[in-house]
Amino acid sequence: QQQVKQSPQSLIVQKGGISIINCAYENTAFDYFPWYQQFPGKGPALLIAIRPDVSEKKEGRFTISFNKSAKQFSLHIMDSQPGDSATYFCAASSTGNQFYFGTGTSLTVIP
Amino acid sequence: DTAVSQTPKYLVTQMGNDKSIKCEQNLGHDTMYWYKQDSKKFLKIMFSYNNKELIINETVPNRFSPKSPDKAHLNLHINSLELGDSAVYFCASSHHAPTGDRGTYGYTFGSGTRLTVV
Repeated sequence: QQQVKQSPQSLIVQKGGISIINCAYENTAFDYFPWYQQFPGKGPALLIAIRPDVSEKKEGRFTISFNKSAKQFSLHIMDSQPGDSATYFCAASSTGNQFYFGTGTSLTVIP
Repeated sequence: DTAVSQTPKYLVTQMGNDKSIKCEQNLGHDTMYWYKQDSKKFLKIMFSYNNKELIINETVPNRFSPKSPDKAHLNLHINSLELGDSAVYFCASSHHAPTGDRGTYGYTFGSGTRLTVV
């Protein structure tokens, strides 16, 4: 059973555009929602994370939007650059427990 | 200094062989994990170890066995390799619980071992 559902599977965006990746969960015990970025040949790396007590977190061009009532959260990449081309994973966990990863989104930013 | 290092990076072997992948972390984390990433990029947790105790064991074949000689190492042994075992295997580590300020925390992944069974 997939604990975290992620969409789209792949995304193509023009340079300078906004990339949006969505995730949804069911387990209301989840209280931590990180996003990971994975480049080819590398392991996933923590990008940004949010807790459900805030609705938005921004770090540079990356923003997480969180909707607790809808049990959804999304990653927005503003001014997308070719260097952002990678696979992105959302994840969720409850304190002290394992992370459940989404199925990944392959982002391609076209110059 | 590499935070989570795993060796080898590539492993090509024949069906039926037994192989091991090594993982070491120098972050002082108390939990280590093994993940399998298939061709569709899906990350599936296989095992985790916390203070030498297995705390997660997903439904993986018993041909796979984790071995942790100490808190900084978690090796993966695979017996009787099958074609379907071909994948990228990632080692990761983390604190078992968030740090005191409940700040940002997460898994630190190694760079992966691409296993090809022929």
